[in-house]
Amino acid sequence: GQQLNQSPQSMFIQEGEDVSMNCTSSSIFNTWLWYKQEPGEGPVLLIALYKAGELTSNGRLTAQFGITRKDSFLNISASIPSDVGIYFCAGQNYGGSQGNLIFGKGTKLSVKP
Amino acid sequence: SQTIHQWPATLVQPVGSPLSLECTVEGTSNPNLYWYRQAAGRGLQLLFYSVGIGQISSEVPQNLSASRPQDRQFILSTKKLLLSDSGFYLCAIQPRPSTDTQYFGPGTRLTVL
Repeated sequence: GQQLNQSPQSMFIQEGEDVSMNCTSSSIFNTWLWYKQEPGEGPVLLIALYKAGELTSNGRLTAQFGITRKDSFLNISASIPSDVGIYFCAGQNYGGSQGNLIFGKGTKLSVKP
Repeated sequence: SQTIHQWPATLVQPVGSPLSLECTVEGTSNPNLYWYRQAAGRGLQLLFYSVGIGQISSEVPQNLSASRPQDRQFILSTKKLLLSDSGFYLCAIQPRPSTDTQYFGPGTRLTVL
Protein backbone atom coordinates (compact mmCIF):
# COMPACT_ATOMS: atom_id res chain seq x y z
CA GLY A 1 0.00 0.00 0.00
CA GLN A 2 0.89 3.66 -0.14
CA GLN A 3 3.31 4.96 2.45
CA LEU A 4 4.67 8.35 3.35
CA ASN A 5 8.17 9.00 4.61
CA GLN A 6 8.26 12.10 6.80
CA SER A 7 11.49 13.66 8.00
CA PRO A 8 12.97 14.63 10.27
CA GLN A 9 11.37 12.60 13.03
CA SER A 10 12.10 15.34 15.57
CA MET A 11 13.64 18.80 15.73
CA PHE A 12 14.92 20.83 18.64
CA ILE A 13 15.55 24.42 17.63
CA GLN A 14 16.09 27.86 19.06
CA GLU A 15 13.33 30.45 18.96
CA GLY A 16 13.66 32.58 15.84
CA GLU A 17 15.14 29.85 13.67
CA ASP A 18 13.50 28.64 10.49
CA VAL A 19 12.18 25.07 10.25
CA SER A 20 11.87 22.77 7.28
CA MET A 21 10.28 19.33 7.11
CA ASN A 22 9.22 17.16 4.20
CA CYS A 23 7.32 14.11 3.09
CA THR A 24 7.96 11.78 0.21
CA SER A 25 5.93 8.97 -1.28
CA SER A 26 6.54 6.17 -3.72
CA SER A 27 3.21 6.93 -5.38
CA ILE A 28 1.38 10.09 -6.42
CA PHE A 29 -1.33 11.95 -4.56
CA ASN A 30 -4.00 14.38 -5.70
CA THR A 31 -3.82 16.39 -2.48
CA TRP A 32 -1.21 17.05 0.15
CA LEU A 33 -2.21 18.18 3.62
CA TRP A 34 -0.27 19.45 6.62
CA TYR A 35 -1.63 19.17 10.16
CA LYS A 36 -0.36 20.33 13.54
CA GLN A 37 -1.18 18.48 16.75
CA GLU A 38 -0.62 19.99 20.17
CA PRO A 39 -0.42 17.73 23.24
CA GLY A 40 -3.76 16.21 24.19
CA GLU A 41 -5.62 17.66 21.22
CA GLY A 42 -6.73 16.55 17.79
CA PRO A 43 -4.72 17.52 14.70
CA VAL A 44 -5.59 20.85 13.17
CA LEU A 45 -5.36 21.44 9.43
CA LEU A 46 -2.70 24.02 8.55
CA ILE A 47 -2.43 23.95 4.79
CA ALA A 48 -4.05 22.00 1.95
CA LEU A 49 -2.39 21.71 -1.46
CA TYR A 50 -4.36 20.66 -4.52
CA LYS A 51 -2.12 21.21 -7.56
CA ALA A 52 1.33 19.97 -8.46
CA GLY A 53 3.81 22.82 -8.03
CA GLU A 54 1.43 24.80 -5.82
CA LEU A 55 3.08 26.97 -3.19
CA THR A 56 0.81 28.15 -0.39
CA SER A 57 1.43 30.30 2.66
CA ASN A 58 -0.45 30.62 5.93
CA GLY A 59 1.22 33.29 8.03
CA ARG A 60 4.73 32.11 8.83
CA LEU A 61 4.01 28.71 7.28
CA THR A 62 4.75 27.87 3.66
CA ALA A 63 4.07 24.54 1.99
CA GLN A 64 4.61 23.24 -1.52
CA PHE A 65 3.12 20.40 -3.54
CA GLY A 66 5.99 18.77 -5.44
CA ILE A 67 5.96 18.76 -9.24
CA THR A 68 6.13 14.97 -9.33
CA ARG A 69 3.11 14.81 -6.93
CA LYS A 70 5.17 12.47 -4.77
CA ASP A 71 6.46 14.96 -2.23
CA SER A 72 5.70 18.05 -0.19
CA PHE A 73 7.53 20.29 2.22
CA LEU A 74 6.51 22.60 5.05
CA ASN A 75 8.59 25.56 6.18
CA ILE A 76 8.08 27.60 9.31
CA SER A 77 9.88 30.92 9.45
CA ALA A 78 11.02 32.67 12.61
CA SER A 79 9.80 29.97 14.98
CA ILE A 80 8.17 30.87 18.28
CA PRO A 81 7.45 28.73 21.39
CA SER A 82 3.81 28.16 20.40
CA ASP A 83 4.98 26.34 17.26
CA VAL A 84 5.73 23.36 19.50
CA GLY A 85 3.83 20.25 18.53
CA ILE A 86 3.79 17.34 16.12
CA TYR A 87 3.41 18.14 12.44
CA PHE A 88 1.87 15.53 10.18
CA CYS A 89 1.80 15.38 6.43
CA ALA A 90 -0.96 13.47 4.71
CA GLY A 91 -1.66 12.48 1.14
CA GLN A 92 -5.08 11.92 -0.29
CA ASN A 93 -6.59 10.49 -3.44
CA TYR A 94 -10.18 11.28 -4.23
CA GLY A 95 -10.86 8.09 -6.08
CA GLY A 96 -14.01 6.44 -4.79
CA SER A 97 -16.01 7.63 -1.79
CA GLN A 98 -13.55 6.84 0.94
CA GLY A 99 -11.36 9.93 0.85
CA ASN A 100 -8.90 8.08 3.05
CA LEU A 101 -5.75 9.87 4.12
CA ILE A 102 -2.28 8.36 4.23
CA PHE A 103 -0.34 9.94 7.11
CA GLY A 104 3.34 10.41 7.71
CA LYS A 105 4.63 9.45 11.17
CA GLY A 106 5.04 13.07 12.18
CA THR A 107 7.78 15.56 12.98
CA LYS A 108 7.98 16.54 16.64
CA LEU A 109 9.07 20.15 16.97
CA SER A 110 10.54 21.58 20.16
CA VAL A 111 11.38 25.29 20.40
CA LYS A 112 13.73 26.64 23.03
CA PRO A 113 12.95 30.22 24.08
CA SER B 1 -18.67 25.26 9.57
CA GLN B 2 -18.79 21.85 11.20
CA THR B 3 -18.19 21.03 14.87
CA ILE B 4 -17.02 17.64 16.10
CA HIS B 5 -17.74 16.46 19.63
CA GLN B 6 -16.11 13.47 21.27
CA TRP B 7 -17.21 11.96 24.55
CA PRO B 8 -15.73 11.28 27.01
CA ALA B 9 -12.55 13.32 26.91
CA THR B 10 -10.64 10.88 29.10
CA LEU B 11 -11.38 7.38 30.32
CA VAL B 12 -9.64 4.87 32.57
CA GLN B 13 -11.02 1.36 32.35
CA PRO B 14 -9.97 -2.08 33.63
CA VAL B 15 -9.01 -4.88 31.27
CA GLY B 16 -12.04 -6.92 30.26
CA SER B 17 -14.55 -4.12 30.73
CA PRO B 18 -16.79 -2.81 27.90
CA LEU B 19 -16.18 0.43 26.04
CA SER B 20 -18.26 2.94 24.16
CA LEU B 21 -16.81 6.12 22.69
CA GLU B 22 -19.06 8.56 20.92
CA CYS B 23 -18.47 11.08 18.16
CA THR B 24 -21.19 13.51 17.09
CA VAL B 25 -21.06 16.10 14.35
CA GLU B 26 -22.85 19.41 13.86
CA GLY B 27 -23.07 21.71 10.89
CA THR B 28 -22.89 19.20 8.06
CA SER B 29 -24.90 16.35 6.60
CA ASN B 30 -23.90 13.00 5.14
CA PRO B 31 -20.21 13.28 5.91
CA ASN B 32 -17.67 10.49 5.72
CA LEU B 33 -16.68 9.59 9.27
CA TYR B 34 -13.43 8.08 10.53
CA TRP B 35 -12.01 6.59 13.72
CA TYR B 36 -8.24 6.81 14.25
CA ARG B 37 -6.05 5.59 17.09
CA GLN B 38 -2.83 7.26 18.09
CA ALA B 39 -0.36 5.50 20.37
CA ALA B 40 2.26 7.34 22.42
CA GLY B 41 1.51 10.70 20.74
CA ARG B 42 2.84 9.61 17.37
CA GLY B 43 1.36 8.11 14.23
CA LEU B 44 -2.30 7.97 13.26
CA GLN B 45 -3.76 4.57 12.54
CA LEU B 46 -7.06 4.45 10.68
CA LEU B 47 -9.40 1.97 12.39
CA PHE B 48 -12.79 2.43 10.72
CA TYR B 49 -14.52 4.64 8.21
CA SER B 50 -18.15 5.12 7.24
CA VAL B 51 -19.67 6.60 4.11
CA GLY B 52 -23.26 6.45 5.40
CA ILE B 53 -25.66 5.23 8.09
CA GLY B 54 -25.02 1.60 8.90
CA GLN B 55 -22.05 1.42 6.52
CA ILE B 56 -18.80 0.56 8.28
CA SER B 57 -15.47 -0.48 6.83
CA SER B 58 -12.61 -1.77 8.94
CA GLU B 59 -9.03 -1.06 8.05
CA VAL B 60 -7.26 -3.37 10.49
CA PRO B 61 -8.15 -6.55 12.39
CA GLN B 62 -8.79 -5.64 15.99
CA ASN B 63 -10.73 -5.99 19.17
CA LEU B 64 -12.93 -2.97 18.46
CA SER B 65 -16.06 -2.37 16.41
CA ALA B 66 -17.80 0.71 15.07
CA SER B 67 -21.36 1.68 14.34
CA ARG B 68 -23.15 4.61 12.73
CA PRO B 69 -26.74 4.58 13.97
CA GLN B 70 -27.43 8.14 12.76
CA ASP B 71 -25.99 10.33 10.02
CA ARG B 72 -23.94 12.43 12.42
CA GLN B 73 -23.17 9.87 15.14
CA PHE B 74 -20.23 7.47 15.09
CA ILE B 75 -19.59 5.03 17.93
CA LEU B 76 -16.53 2.96 18.76
CA SER B 77 -17.04 0.04 21.11
CA THR B 78 -15.93 -3.31 22.41
CA LYS B 79 -17.30 -5.85 24.88
CA LYS B 80 -13.91 -6.55 26.47
CA LEU B 81 -11.02 -4.12 26.59
CA LEU B 82 -7.42 -5.23 26.16
CA LEU B 83 -4.33 -3.48 27.47
CA SER B 84 -3.33 -2.82 23.87
CA ASP B 85 -6.51 -0.78 23.34
CA SER B 86 -4.98 2.10 25.31
CA GLY B 87 -4.37 5.19 23.22
CA PHE B 88 -5.74 8.47 21.97
CA TYR B 89 -8.84 7.98 19.83
CA LEU B 90 -9.68 10.57 17.23
CA CYS B 91 -12.86 10.99 15.24
CA ALA B 92 -12.58 12.76 11.91
CA ILE B 93 -15.05 13.90 9.28
CA GLN B 94 -14.90 14.63 5.59
CA PRO B 95 -17.76 17.11 5.17
CA ARG B 96 -18.24 16.78 1.41
CA PRO B 97 -16.90 13.49 0.15
CA SER B 98 -14.53 13.67 -2.83
CA THR B 99 -14.25 17.46 -2.63
CA ASP B 100 -13.00 18.21 0.83
CA THR B 101 -10.39 17.20 3.35
CA GLN B 102 -10.64 15.69 6.84
CA TYR B 103 -11.13 17.54 10.11
CA PHE B 104 -10.45 16.05 13.50
CA GLY B 105 -12.31 16.09 16.80
CA PRO B 106 -10.66 16.82 20.16
CA GLY B 107 -10.00 13.14 20.91
CA THR B 108 -10.57 10.69 23.78
CA ARG B 109 -7.67 9.53 25.92
CA LEU B 110 -8.24 5.89 26.90
CA THR B 111 -6.10 4.13 29.50
CA VAL B 112 -6.68 0.43 30.08
CA LEU B 113 -5.27 -0.88 33.35
